[in-house]
Amino acid sequence: GEDVEQSLFLSVREGDSSVINCTYTDSSSTYLYWYKQEPGAGLQLLTYIFSNMDMKQDQRLTVLLNKKDKHLSLRIADTQTGDSAIYFCAGQPLGGSYIPTFGRGTSLIVHP
Amino acid sequence: DVKVTQSSRYLVKRTGEKVFLECVQDMDHENMFWYRQDPGLGLRLIYFSYDVKMKEKGDIPEGYSVSREKKERFSLILESASTNQTSMYLCASKVGVSSGANVLTFGAGSRLTVL
Repeated sequence: GEDVEQSLFLSVREGDSSVINCTYTDSSSTYLYWYKQEPGAGLQLLTYIFSNMDMKQDQRLTVLLNKKDKHLSLRIADTQTGDSAIYFCAGQPLGGSYIPTFGRGTSLIVHP
Repeated sequence: DVKVTQSSRYLVKRTGEKVFLECVQDMDHENMFWYRQDPGLGLRLIYFSYDVKMKEKGDIPEGYSVSREKKERFSLILESASTNQTSMYLCASKVGVSSGANVLTFGAGSRLTVL
């Protein structure tokens, strides 16, 4: 099955850009997702990218996909303290149950 | 907006007690899921359900069972709670199996402490 790996922590200064990285193993993954979990809450979908795309931009968020290296990244421009959260990467396999497999989550800490 | 409601946000139970965690969604989603979330381990799938009365084991089903008698409701049952089941439990739902994007909508979570 799919394995999704992320580093556990990232610390940035307010106003800087944050880049959260993710690698996955299943080259047939069709969709890749980023979810955000704020303290005490469930996960919320931030964005997703289809596997035939290289990049997707949505306001302060930029998703880059390198399908050859099976590498996904999420860049947050002008990071704010409200961006402090856990960010989960997930890959959706082709076929079967289509249930996304989640990484362990990256805790983003934004310092003022 | 799709809403997934977990009725109990915080529970404290004793070892050996039977525990029910309830989850209700209001958008007629076919699929429902139970995950547990532990620090450093991320989300691990316990059970999921494709439809009413159907259930499938996830990655860590041991010590848990589920019930789906109505489409909107998916219950997680701990027959005899143990301290290693202290965790955050997250319920999620999505539309039926699709080759397009399968976006999960999550509840706010139920934090269970077993003493």
